[in-house]
Amino acid sequence: SQQGEEDPQALSIQEGENATMNCSYKTSINNLQWYRQNSGRGLVHLILIRSNEREKHSGRLRVTLDTSKKSSSLLITASRAADTASYFCATSGTYKYIFGTGTRLKVLA
Amino acid sequence: SQTIHQWPATLVQPVGSPLSLECTVEGTSNPNLYWYRQAAGRGLQLLFYSVGIGQISSEVPQNLSASRPQDRQFILSSKKLLLSDSGFYLCAWDTSGSYFSQETQYFGPGTRLLVL
Repeated sequence: SQQGEEDPQALSIQEGENATMNCSYKTSINNLQWYRQNSGRGLVHLILIRSNEREKHSGRLRVTLDTSKKSSSLLITASRAADTASYFCATSGTYKYIFGTGTRLKVLA
Repeated sequence: SQTIHQWPATLVQPVGSPLSLECTVEGTSNPNLYWYRQAAGRGLQLLFYSVGIGQISSEVPQNLSASRPQDRQFILSSKKLLLSDSGFYLCAWDTSGSYFSQETQYFGPGTRLLVL
């Protein structure tokens, strides 16, 4: 079974609004990553946050990590129609990545 | 720069037919290589990973097999496809050497397989 579970499963917002997605995991981690997948395409790495970090920014992306709650959130600010995609969190161990089930984000123009 | 190729992009095969999907990586040496399957609207299921030529680890019992005949080539195969083998197959790589914690994977464009 997938370790990561994203919430919500689907999200629809208007362009310009912020989008927040959450991820929960079960075991101890060294880092947590977020990926994006456009429909019918491969995944693209967005951002990585290490277990000793609480928050990280990259452009319009903001990721938080709460290791005590085993959860992470991805915030996309000022969303654009081009942000429409599925977003996955992933945790990694020895040669293995465990991906969540993903959040499908739709940004309406 | 590194690139990863997968082919074919789309494949429609009858039940019971064989399968061969190929993945190649350029611009890096000794990568770790991975095969995932993604059901429609779902997350990724790790099928196989390889840390070197001829070294294959299988994550789930299944109708598929994998081989790594060359450093940057990873092949997914089946002798007889089942309906349940339909899905989106993704190949990925990352850098070797980080035994305890992998950090970033780079994905190919994927192969959509439909078994009829």
